[in-house]
Amino acid sequence: GAVVSQHPSWVICKSGTSVKIECRSLDFQATTMFWYRQFPKQSLMLMATSNEGSKATYEQGVEKDKFLINHASLTLSTLTVTSAHPEDSSFYICSARGQGGDTQYFGPGTRLTVL
Amino acid sequence: GENVEQHPSTLSVQEGDSAVIKCTYSDSASNYFPWYKQELGKGPQLIIDIRSNVGEKKDQRIAVTLNKTAKHFSLHITETQPEDSAVYFCAASRGFNKFYFGSGTKLNVKP
Repeated sequence: GAVVSQHPSWVICKSGTSVKIECRSLDFQATTMFWYRQFPKQSLMLMATSNEGSKATYEQGVEKDKFLINHASLTLSTLTVTSAHPEDSSFYICSARGQGGDTQYFGPGTRLTVL
Repeated sequence: GENVEQHPSTLSVQEGDSAVIKCTYSDSASNYFPWYKQELGKGPQLIIDIRSNVGEKKDQRIAVTLNKTAKHFSLHITETQPEDSAVYFCAASRGFNKFYFGSGTKLNVKP
Protein backbone atom coordinates (compact mmCIF):
# COMPACT_ATOMS: atom_id res chain seq x y z
CA GLY A 1 0.00 0.00 0.00
CA ALA A 2 0.80 3.72 0.00
CA VAL A 3 2.08 3.92 -3.55
CA VAL A 4 2.74 7.27 -5.19
CA SER A 5 3.51 7.60 -8.89
CA GLN A 6 4.93 10.45 -10.92
CA HIS A 7 4.79 11.13 -14.62
CA PRO A 8 6.92 11.63 -16.55
CA SER A 9 9.98 10.07 -14.96
CA TRP A 10 12.19 12.33 -17.04
CA VAL A 11 11.65 15.20 -19.45
CA ILE A 12 13.86 17.34 -21.65
CA CYS A 13 12.50 20.64 -22.88
CA LYS A 14 13.65 23.81 -24.56
CA SER A 15 14.15 27.02 -22.65
CA GLY A 16 10.96 29.09 -22.49
CA THR A 17 8.53 26.18 -22.66
CA SER A 18 6.30 24.92 -19.85
CA VAL A 19 6.41 21.46 -18.37
CA LYS A 20 3.72 19.68 -16.35
CA ILE A 21 4.55 16.94 -13.85
CA GLU A 22 1.82 14.72 -12.42
CA CYS A 23 1.78 13.11 -8.98
CA ARG A 24 -0.78 10.43 -8.17
CA SER A 25 -1.59 8.48 -5.05
CA LEU A 26 -2.55 5.04 -6.38
CA ASP A 27 -4.08 3.27 -3.41
CA PHE A 28 -5.06 5.96 -0.93
CA GLN A 29 -6.64 9.39 -0.88
CA ALA A 30 -4.06 12.10 -0.43
CA THR A 31 -5.51 15.07 1.38
CA THR A 32 -2.09 16.73 1.38
CA MET A 33 0.63 16.60 -1.24
CA PHE A 34 4.09 18.09 -1.09
CA TRP A 35 6.48 19.08 -3.85
CA TYR A 36 10.23 18.96 -3.35
CA ARG A 37 13.23 19.84 -5.40
CA GLN A 38 16.53 18.05 -5.02
CA PHE A 39 19.91 19.07 -6.40
CA PRO A 40 22.66 16.48 -6.90
CA LYS A 41 24.06 15.14 -3.64
CA GLN A 42 21.84 17.43 -1.61
CA SER A 43 18.86 17.06 0.65
CA LEU A 44 15.23 17.59 -0.27
CA MET A 45 14.03 21.18 -0.44
CA LEU A 46 10.31 21.69 0.15
CA MET A 47 8.79 23.92 -2.50
CA ALA A 48 5.11 23.91 -1.57
CA THR A 49 2.34 22.13 0.28
CA SER A 50 -1.04 21.61 -1.31
CA ASN A 51 -4.31 20.50 0.21
CA GLU A 52 -7.05 19.11 -2.00
CA GLY A 53 -9.30 21.88 -3.23
CA SER A 54 -7.19 24.68 -1.76
CA LYS A 55 -4.45 26.94 -3.01
CA ALA A 56 -0.94 25.70 -2.43
CA THR A 57 1.24 27.17 0.29
CA TYR A 58 4.66 28.04 -1.07
CA GLU A 59 7.90 28.10 0.87
CA GLN A 60 9.81 31.32 1.13
CA GLY A 61 11.81 32.03 -2.00
CA VAL A 62 9.73 29.81 -4.30
CA GLU A 63 8.04 31.74 -7.10
CA LYS A 64 4.39 30.77 -7.16
CA ASP A 65 3.90 32.16 -10.66
CA LYS A 66 6.73 30.03 -11.97
CA PHE A 67 5.85 26.80 -10.19
CA LEU A 68 2.10 26.36 -10.53
CA ILE A 69 0.59 23.69 -8.32
CA ASN A 70 -2.88 22.26 -8.66
CA HIS A 71 -4.41 19.67 -6.32
CA ALA A 72 -7.80 19.18 -7.92
CA SER A 73 -8.58 15.73 -6.58
CA LEU A 74 -7.70 13.46 -3.70
CA THR A 75 -5.43 11.41 -5.93
CA LEU A 76 -3.81 13.92 -8.26
CA SER A 77 -1.59 16.94 -7.93
CA THR A 78 0.29 18.66 -10.73
CA LEU A 79 3.33 20.90 -10.82
CA THR A 80 3.77 23.10 -13.87
CA VAL A 81 7.12 24.74 -14.41
CA THR A 82 6.31 27.78 -16.55
CA SER A 83 8.77 29.37 -18.96
CA ALA A 84 11.45 26.92 -17.90
CA HIS A 85 15.10 27.94 -17.96
CA PRO A 86 18.29 25.88 -17.55
CA GLU A 87 18.49 26.81 -13.86
CA ASP A 88 15.17 25.02 -13.34
CA SER A 89 16.83 21.74 -14.28
CA SER A 90 16.56 19.51 -11.25
CA PHE A 91 15.03 16.38 -9.73
CA TYR A 92 11.44 17.09 -8.67
CA ILE A 93 9.81 14.76 -6.16
CA CYS A 94 6.28 14.73 -4.81
CA SER A 95 4.99 13.12 -1.66
CA ALA A 96 1.50 12.44 -0.39
CA ARG A 97 -0.15 12.05 2.97
CA GLY A 98 -3.58 10.58 3.60
CA GLN A 99 -6.29 11.98 5.85
CA GLY A 100 -5.38 11.31 9.44
CA GLY A 101 -2.06 9.93 8.29
CA ASP A 102 1.24 10.87 9.68
CA THR A 103 4.00 10.14 7.27
CA GLN A 104 4.68 11.17 3.72
CA TYR A 105 5.02 8.65 0.92
CA PHE A 106 7.23 9.75 -1.91
CA GLY A 107 6.96 9.33 -5.64
CA PRO A 108 9.88 8.13 -7.77
CA GLY A 109 10.79 11.62 -8.90
CA THR A 110 10.97 13.44 -12.24
CA ARG A 111 14.26 14.49 -13.79
CA LEU A 112 13.80 17.80 -15.62
CA THR A 113 16.47 19.02 -18.02
CA VAL A 114 16.00 22.40 -19.67
CA LEU A 115 18.20 23.05 -22.70
CA GLY B 1 11.97 26.91 12.72
CA GLU B 2 13.26 23.39 13.16
CA ASN B 3 16.87 22.56 12.34
CA VAL B 4 17.94 18.96 11.78
CA GLU B 5 21.60 18.01 11.65
CA GLN B 6 22.72 14.60 10.41
CA HIS B 7 26.06 12.82 10.81
CA PRO B 8 28.12 11.39 9.29
CA SER B 9 27.78 12.59 5.71
CA THR B 10 29.40 9.41 4.43
CA LEU B 11 29.81 6.02 6.08
CA SER B 12 31.64 2.97 4.79
CA VAL B 13 31.24 -0.39 6.50
CA GLN B 14 32.13 -3.95 5.72
CA GLU B 15 29.30 -6.31 4.87
CA GLY B 16 27.94 -7.83 8.05
CA ASP B 17 28.99 -4.91 10.26
CA SER B 18 26.58 -2.48 11.89
CA ALA B 19 25.96 1.10 10.77
CA VAL B 20 24.73 3.97 12.91
CA ILE B 21 23.52 7.34 11.64
CA LYS B 22 22.71 10.14 14.07
CA CYS B 23 20.45 13.17 13.86
CA THR B 24 19.81 16.05 16.22
CA TYR B 25 16.87 18.44 16.14
CA SER B 26 16.24 21.82 17.69
CA ASP B 27 12.48 22.10 18.18
CA SER B 28 11.41 20.34 21.37
CA ALA B 29 7.84 20.27 20.04
CA SER B 30 8.78 17.92 17.17
CA ASN B 31 7.00 14.65 17.73
CA TYR B 32 7.49 12.51 14.62
CA PHE B 33 10.79 11.24 13.23
CA PRO B 34 10.87 9.21 10.00
CA TRP B 35 13.87 7.75 8.21
CA TYR B 36 14.05 7.44 4.44
CA LYS B 37 16.33 5.49 2.13
CA GLN B 38 17.03 6.93 -1.30
CA GLU B 39 18.69 4.98 -4.07
CA LEU B 40 20.31 6.76 -6.98
CA GLY B 41 17.77 8.33 -9.32
CA LYS B 42 14.78 7.27 -7.20
CA GLY B 43 12.46 8.86 -4.69
CA PRO B 44 12.95 8.40 -0.92
CA GLN B 45 11.42 5.29 0.60
CA LEU B 46 10.21 5.19 4.20
CA ILE B 47 12.10 2.52 6.12
CA ILE B 48 11.15 3.20 9.73
CA ASP B 49 9.65 5.94 11.88
CA ILE B 50 9.19 6.75 15.53
CA ARG B 51 6.89 8.98 17.52
CA SER B 52 7.90 11.03 20.52
CA ASN B 53 6.06 8.81 22.99
CA VAL B 54 8.33 5.87 22.14
CA GLY B 55 12.03 5.50 22.89
CA GLU B 56 12.92 2.71 20.52
CA LYS B 57 11.44 0.86 17.57
CA LYS B 58 12.79 -2.13 15.71
CA ASP B 59 11.96 -3.77 12.40
CA GLN B 60 14.15 -6.75 11.59
CA ARG B 61 17.67 -5.41 10.94
CA ILE B 62 16.67 -1.78 11.35
CA ALA B 63 16.08 0.08 14.60
CA VAL B 64 15.58 3.70 15.59
CA THR B 65 16.18 5.20 19.02
CA LEU B 66 14.95 8.54 20.29
CA ASN B 67 16.28 10.62 23.18
CA LYS B 68 13.84 13.48 23.68
CA THR B 69 15.83 15.06 26.47
CA ALA B 70 18.93 15.34 24.35
CA LYS B 71 16.89 15.93 21.17
CA HIS B 72 18.59 13.32 19.10
CA PHE B 73 17.59 10.15 17.30
CA SER B 74 19.59 7.45 15.57
CA LEU B 75 19.20 4.81 12.90
CA HIS B 76 20.84 1.46 13.51
CA ILE B 77 21.31 -1.10 10.76
CA THR B 78 22.69 -4.48 11.78
CA GLU B 79 24.20 -7.19 9.59
CA THR B 80 24.58 -4.76 6.71
CA GLN B 81 24.28 -6.04 3.16
CA PRO B 82 25.43 -4.51 -0.14
CA GLU B 83 21.81 -3.67 -0.98
CA ASP B 84 21.73 -1.38 2.06
CA SER B 85 24.06 0.97 0.16
CA ALA B 86 22.11 4.19 -0.46
CA VAL B 87 21.61 7.68 0.91
CA TYR B 88 19.67 7.84 4.16
CA PHE B 89 17.73 10.91 5.32
CA CYS B 90 16.30 11.61 8.74
CA ALA B 91 13.47 14.07 9.26
CA ALA B 92 11.62 15.74 12.11
CA SER B 93 8.09 17.02 12.14
CA ARG B 94 5.67 18.70 14.51
CA GLY B 95 2.13 17.49 14.07
CA PHE B 96 2.97 15.57 10.89
CA ASN B 97 2.99 18.70 8.77
CA LYS B 98 6.15 20.06 7.27
CA PHE B 99 9.11 17.67 7.39
CA TYR B 100 12.54 19.08 8.15
CA PHE B 101 15.15 16.85 6.56
CA GLY B 102 18.73 16.21 7.53
CA SER B 103 21.48 16.61 4.96
CA GLY B 104 21.73 12.89 4.24
CA THR B 105 24.23 10.11 4.85
CA LYS B 106 25.71 8.10 2.02
CA LEU B 107 26.15 4.55 3.24
CA ASN B 108 28.52 2.28 1.36
CA VAL B 109 28.52 -1.40 2.31
CA LYS B 110 31.59 -3.13 0.98
CA PRO B 111 31.21 -6.80 0.08
